[in-house]
Amino acid sequence: DVKVTQSSRYLVKRTGEKVFLECVQDMDHENMFWYRQDPGLGLRLIYFSYDVKMKEKGDIPEGYSVSREKKERFSLILESASTNQTSMYLCASRAGRGAYGYTFGSGTRLTVV
Amino acid sequence: GQNIDQPTEMTATEGAIVQINCTYQTSGFNGLFWYQQHAGEAPTFLSYNVLDGLEEKGRFSSFLSRSKGYSYLLLKELQMKDSASYLCAWNSGGYQKVTFGIGTKLQVIP
Repeated sequence: DVKVTQSSRYLVKRTGEKVFLECVQDMDHENMFWYRQDPGLGLRLIYFSYDVKMKEKGDIPEGYSVSREKKERFSLILESASTNQTSMYLCASRAGRGAYGYTFGSGTRLTVV
Repeated sequence: GQNIDQPTEMTATEGAIVQINCTYQTSGFNGLFWYQQHAGEAPTFLSYNVLDGLEEKGRFSSFLSRSKGYSYLLLKELQMKDSASYLCAWNSGGYQKVTFGIGTKLQVIP
């Protein structure tokens, strides 16, 4: 079965810390994505990558960066965590283009205190 | 969500039929998705429409009208386990970028 694995289900970090959220997929998908999900705002795209070492800004990239050194792994980095980055973070991957839906990871609930 | 609208909440009775509507911005359209998300879980893919018309998959069907910027998800023979949020999402700005609606929280009651 197709899988997207996020390294942590729950995380609590302090303001100002550098935070790494890891995502690994085993489907050999070209495209990987990071979203955050907040009540009343839905899923918002932070960054995506369509190939190794390639990245594109999504709708809300400020305060975040990403790394894709290997095809299967896509990392989200919070350079200096702030309380407004408390959220559910969802990683997804997708094969190619067109009719292929996303496969999502189970999410990381990050709390910044 | 950006340029995509769907009702926030709906309630329906077990065994009934419910239709969840979604409207989206028509420019740059490359396809429309529906996802189901149970509370505390990740979204799961339900359907994808790129051409006008109705696509049926068991109890779930999805409809698209590109000229009207309109889609709906139809759920038949509702079961209690169908209580979830249903997310409408459209493919825009290139094939990789998908924009999600806020989601419609469906409650199925006995």
